[in-house]
Amino acid sequence: DSGVTQTPKHLITATGQRVTLRCSPRSGDLSVYWYQQSLDQGLQFLIQYYNGEERAKGNILERFSAQQFPDLHSELNLSSLELGDSALYFCASSVGTASSSGNTIYFGEGSWLTVV
Amino acid sequence: GENVEQHPSTLSVQEGDSAVIKCTYSDSASNYFPWYKQELGKRPQLIIDIRSNVGEKKDQRIAVTLNKTAKHFSLHITETQPEDSAVYFCAANGNTGKLIFGQGTTLQVKP
Repeated sequence: DSGVTQTPKHLITATGQRVTLRCSPRSGDLSVYWYQQSLDQGLQFLIQYYNGEERAKGNILERFSAQQFPDLHSELNLSSLELGDSALYFCASSVGTASSSGNTIYFGEGSWLTVV
Repeated sequence: GENVEQHPSTLSVQEGDSAVIKCTYSDSASNYFPWYKQELGKRPQLIIDIRSNVGEKKDQRIAVTLNKTAKHFSLHITETQPEDSAVYFCAANGNTGKLIFGQGTTLQVKP
């Protein structure tokens, strides 16, 4: 158990719908990262938050948005869903960021999203 | 932009043999290079990492080497076992604090 909690574990929804994925970082971690992993694909960086503020952005679609709340949990919102959005979405957390001090990044179990 | 290239994409070895996976990175400011192992349907788990102030690090059967001048780093697994079969990802940190991953290497260890 990494200490990073993600809900829901599995989600099936229809095209055009909107879903919210939730992540609770490890106790004491200020950074939250979101990654997308499609079938047989690598880990695509979406977005990172540090202590409530957006820190870095990857190839995140405009239909996707995220935020980190004062209690440090984070939510990833996916809207106008398409079949191609079906993937495993990982949340990860670290104490600081991976730039200055090389903090270890721990991954949650992921949320499986299936769009039908 | 920041990029990490990983090779090979698939690797098949006989049990007991060694396996080597290589990565190159583009951002000369990167100073942290972790390796993750991911089993099917599971989360990536850190197996070893190296920081830019050292050239090599070893932990039992796994070792990582770093060549900052050439901007490449490698994972070495010795005496491979069937339970080493998984997808391995290298990563490098970007200057904004994110972690950029390579494309992954599927390692198969044949008994």
